[in-house]
Amino acid sequence: DAGITQSPRYKITETGRQVTLMCHQTWSHSYMFWYRQDLGHGLRLIYYSAAADITDKGEVPDGYVVSRSKTENFPLTLESATRSQTSVYFCASRSGTNYEQYFGPGTRLTVT
Amino acid sequence: AQSVTQPDIHITVSEGASLELRCNYSYGATPYLFWYVQSPGQGLQLLLKYFSGDTLVQGIKGFEAEFKRSQSSFNLRKPSVHWSDAAEYFCAVGGGNQGGKLIFGQGTELSVKP
Repeated sequence: DAGITQSPRYKITETGRQVTLMCHQTWSHSYMFWYRQDLGHGLRLIYYSAAADITDKGEVPDGYVVSRSKTENFPLTLESATRSQTSVYFCASRSGTNYEQYFGPGTRLTVT
Repeated sequence: AQSVTQPDIHITVSEGASLELRCNYSYGATPYLFWYVQSPGQGLQLLLKYFSGDTLVQGIKGFEAEFKRSQSSFNLRKPSVHWSDAAEYFCAVGGGNQGGKLIFGQGTELSVKP
C-alpha cells in the first residue's frame, strides 16, 4: 500500500528488553522522523534522517538508536527499554522540497 | 529559543458555534507554520500550512488560519463546528534553517457539545 506504515501498532515489552519499531514509506521521501507523544508534551522529536545513512539527534534521543540503510525504511530501536519509554511513537516523512510532514498511524508501546 | 505555545489545553464548543484555537510561536527565522489534527487512536493529518504570501490560508474540512507576524500567532478558525471536529489539534513551526524539523505545541483537545 502507498503511504507510510508502522509496525507493530501495539507492543508490550518488559524493562531491559530490546525492541525495534519499524517505519516504511513508499514515496521515496528523503527525510524521515521519529516522534514520541506523551500527555502534556505534545510531540517531541527523537531522531531524524535527511537521507539514507544520514541521521541526527532530535530533542529526546537518549535510550534510542536509529539506522537508515534504505531510503524507505527508518527503524527505531530501544536498546534496553525503560518504563519512561512507554509512549506512542509516530514516524513521519517529507520530501526534500516540501516541509509538510506526513505521519504514520503510530505505535503504542508499553514497557512493564 | 524556538517554541510553540497553545494556551488552551482543552476547549468545549457547541455544535454549530464558531471556533478559534490559539497558537503562538517563537522562531528566529521566517517560519513555516502548520496545523495538524489527530483523531483518537489515529496519526496526525495536515489541516493547513503557511509558507509565504497571503496571510489567511484555507485548509481542509472548512478550517482556516491567519498568520500575524506582529503577534507571532497562527490561530486556527472554523465558522461552524461539527461533532466530527472533536479531536486534538496541534500547531507546529519549522523552517529551512532547521532542516525542516518541526516544533510542535502541546496540543488543544476540542470537545463538541450536541
